[in-house]
Amino acid sequence: DQQVKQNSPSLSVQEGRISILNCDYTNSMFDYFLWYKKYPAEGPTFLISISSIKDKNEDGRFTVFLNKSAKHLSLHIVPSQPGDSAVYFCAARARNTGNQFYFGTGTSLTVIP
Amino acid sequence: GAVVSQHPSRVICKSGTSVKIECRSLDFQATTMFWYRQFPKQSLMLMATSNEGSKATYEQGVEKDKFLINHASLTLSTLTVTSAHPEDSSFYICSASGRGNEQYFGPGTRLTVT
Repeated sequence: DQQVKQNSPSLSVQEGRISILNCDYTNSMFDYFLWYKKYPAEGPTFLISISSIKDKNEDGRFTVFLNKSAKHLSLHIVPSQPGDSAVYFCAARARNTGNQFYFGTGTSLTVIP
Repeated sequence: GAVVSQHPSRVICKSGTSVKIECRSLDFQATTMFWYRQFPKQSLMLMATSNEGSKATYEQGVEKDKFLINHASLTLSTLTVTSAHPEDSSFYICSASGRGNEQYFGPGTRLTVT
């Protein structure tokens, strides 16, 4: 049962344009969400997070939006750079379950120079 | 950010042998460590959660006798794949968390069982 879903397995964007990666979840108890970036044969690296009490968090070129009513979050990268090409995972944590995170299946982003 | 290391980064073993993978938090005390497995083009699947000094909690479908987890200290957790078979070949990733919300991931271990 996939509680966190990323329905787009891949995305290609021109350099300089905006990349939008989407994530949907089913568990209304999720209260903390993160985005990770992963290169092949490496562990994921933390990118940005958002708490359920917020609807937007921004860090440089990266902005995460949370729509709790739709159980949807998105990651915006602008402007996109070739070095952003990687697999992006969203993850969510439920209240009172410690630090256990549930991951989406990932979206492979390719930024074309 | 916090640093988590894994050793070895790659290991090839013969079917029937056991392999130990180490996960260390280098600059913080990890109260909880997690072990994940990733198949090609699939998500990270949580295998087990371990707290220092207590038994690991395994996810449904993960054989605890096959994947032995020891969280001996606040900076070290080990995963031992016992009697490995080719279907155990995968990318194993650990993560560690302290008192905050984030998890910090290790670089992963590529296990190939021949």
